[in-house]
Amino acid sequence: NAGVTQTPKFQVLKTGQSMTLQCAQDMNHEYMSWYRQDPGMGLRLIHYSVGAGITDQGEVPNGYNVSRSTTEDFPLRLLSAAPSQTSVYFCASSSSLRRSSYEQYFGPGTRLTVT
Amino acid sequence: TQLLEQSPQFLSIQEGENLTVYCNSSSVFSSLQWYRQEPGEGPVLLVTVVTGGEVKKLKRLTFQFGDARKDSSLHITAAQTGDTGLYLCAGAGSGGSNYKLTFGKGTLLTVNP
Repeated sequence: NAGVTQTPKFQVLKTGQSMTLQCAQDMNHEYMSWYRQDPGMGLRLIHYSVGAGITDQGEVPNGYNVSRSTTEDFPLRLLSAAPSQTSVYFCASSSSLRRSSYEQYFGPGTRLTVT
Repeated sequence: TQLLEQSPQFLSIQEGENLTVYCNSSSVFSSLQWYRQEPGEGPVLLVTVVTGGEVKKLKRLTFQFGDARKDSSLHITAAQTGDTGLYLCAGAGSGGSNYKLTFGKGTLLTVNP
């Protein structure tokens, strides 16, 4: 199993550009999430999905869109990049099989810089 | 909004010393997880505690979940340089949002040789 994969590893955008961060998992997990990590702020939830076709907003959703057409993939779209979106983005997945715990498996992250 | 406060935010110690990291909240969590993150990588799960008062040991690491399921601690005995990293606690909410985690801001641990 590859686990959770994310592409690209690094990205530089100009203000106003759009792009999609890719995330895929091969563990047949139902739940997938996107987080951003900023210095001193910990991990903040952007959007999450409880299954194919179902998504919802997290703590900091503004400026981001998601879709979940398959169990495996959960892309994050930046509509019009802003310098405030400079961050490290992590995708994570978890399984409903262990209802008491929902341990999350994280990808390696995408480091995004918006100039 | 459920908040998790971690302390200390930074910790620098010498190899061989003991340390404790705390994770506190005013909210009750159905479970609490501890992750460790190394530079340039995603967090990796260390342990999950589910039952109030539960204690779990992972080699030199001891994790405890408070009786009221509002707080947790991580104790490292005889720290090694390989323990260096960012330690994150995360709580899973009760009710229908168990799959959503609330993360603390992390404790950056540096163990010096």
